[in-house]
Amino acid sequence: DIVMTQTPLSLSVTPGQPASISCKSSQSLLHSEGKTYLYWYLQKPGQPPQLLIYEVSNRFFGVPDRFSGSGSGTDFTLKISRVEAEDVGVYYCMQSTQLPKTFGQGTKLEIK
Amino acid sequence: QVQLQQWGAGLLKPSETLSLTCTIYGGSFSGYYWNWIRQPPGKGLEWIGKINHSGSTNYNPSLKSRVTISVDTSKNQFSLKLSSLTAADTAVYYCARGVGDPWGQGTLVTVSS
Repeated sequence: DIVMTQTPLSLSVTPGQPASISCKSSQSLLHSEGKTYLYWYLQKPGQPPQLLIYEVSNRFFGVPDRFSGSGSGTDFTLKISRVEAEDVGVYYCMQSTQLPKTFGQGTKLEIK
Repeated sequence: QVQLQQWGAGLLKPSETLSLTCTIYGGSFSGYYWNWIRQPPGKGLEWIGKINHSGSTNYNPSLKSRVTISVDTSKNQFSLKLSSLTAADTAVYYCARGVGDPWGQGTLVTVSS
């Protein structure tokens, strides 16, 4: 299985400040068909996860443009340009390049 | 807008079989894989398996011997069965379309004697 490692595991950010979460995979996520199947989710308390970013850098419908994803190969990053109170929750990366799909451990974002 | 509604028993005993069903509203089966994912209380996410409209499945090898995912396209439903339950199977179970849009509301399944 591909192991997904997120850092940091927790983050406390002042509103309006940026935040960054790293996700590293134990193998390259570049698929033989040329795409990289790396996704980012936010799970707010008491809710199922919601898709933020698909295929490394594409914002899902309705996701604010303060969220951005980047990376390639085994190293990926989710950035929030200006954190807002509604961004609190746990962020997960997930790969589906190789089955079984695997998730990072999660990064808990809190507001200072 | 597609919505997923899931249901099933929430309290089971060790050795019993978990059975959950997810109904798709506002959309069809075709063109997507339909997933089951679980989350133990206070922990991270684990992918269980997926199925498409024709019944083709993939399972997580860690659970493969105990998992069956099936589909009933006439009812726009897909289902999860997990056998030989132990306390380690206690989790919130989610259904989800594709890579996660949308998700079901989640069902807490507790395994306890």
